[in-house]
Amino acid sequence: DAMVIQNPRYQVTQFGKPVTLSCSQTLNHNVMYWYQQKSSQAPKLLFHYYDKDFNNEADTPDNFQSRRPNTSFCFLDIRSPGLGDAAMYLCATSREKNGIQYFGAGTRLSVL
Amino acid sequence: AQSVTQLDSQVPVFEEAPVELRCNYSSSVSVYLFWYVQYPNQGLQLLLKYLSGSTLVKGINGFEAEFNKSQTSFHLRKPSVHISDTAEYFCAVRLGSSNTGKLIFGQGTTLQVKP
Repeated sequence: DAMVIQNPRYQVTQFGKPVTLSCSQTLNHNVMYWYQQKSSQAPKLLFHYYDKDFNNEADTPDNFQSRRPNTSFCFLDIRSPGLGDAAMYLCATSREKNGIQYFGAGTRLSVL
Repeated sequence: AQSVTQLDSQVPVFEEAPVELRCNYSSSVSVYLFWYVQYPNQGLQLLLKYLSGSTLVKGINGFEAEFNKSQTSFHLRKPSVHISDTAEYFCAVRLGSSNTGKLIFGQGTTLQVKP
């Protein structure tokens, strides 16, 4: 059974139209991460939550926001998607900050 | 700055042959090391990890890796590959001093197993 679930698997949006990607977990882990993976590139950390504490990576554009309303769910909001934001977005969780990270299947975002 | 280099972007190999995927890292502090596998249109699955102890670690699907501190390497090996091993493989490091758990990934190596 999937423990880190990302919805939808594929998302198409229009240039400049806000979009939200969803991640849920059944592991009751404290930490949730969002990575961006562009085609043929390594995953790159955007930000993470430790419980309710939000931690942004220094080079994450302001266009990217995140919400974690409860332990189980975490959302990635892209306020005005550009063509360069087309990528696979991966959610991961870990019990503690230095724990093993478990990844979801990802959401592939296309921007038209 | 810390970095991870996967020396081969693509590794073609015939089924049942041995394979080695190379990974080197750059860090002045202690690190934890990981190998993840990514099948097409899937997320990342942990293959194995080195946190401490024996430098030879065994993972799932018959893979193993050896941590070599002096050469700052963590190469992944399998003695006999199957068609189903065709996937993208990522080496990653986490700083021992990290308070965020951030993983730094290499660029990935595509393993292509041919019949």
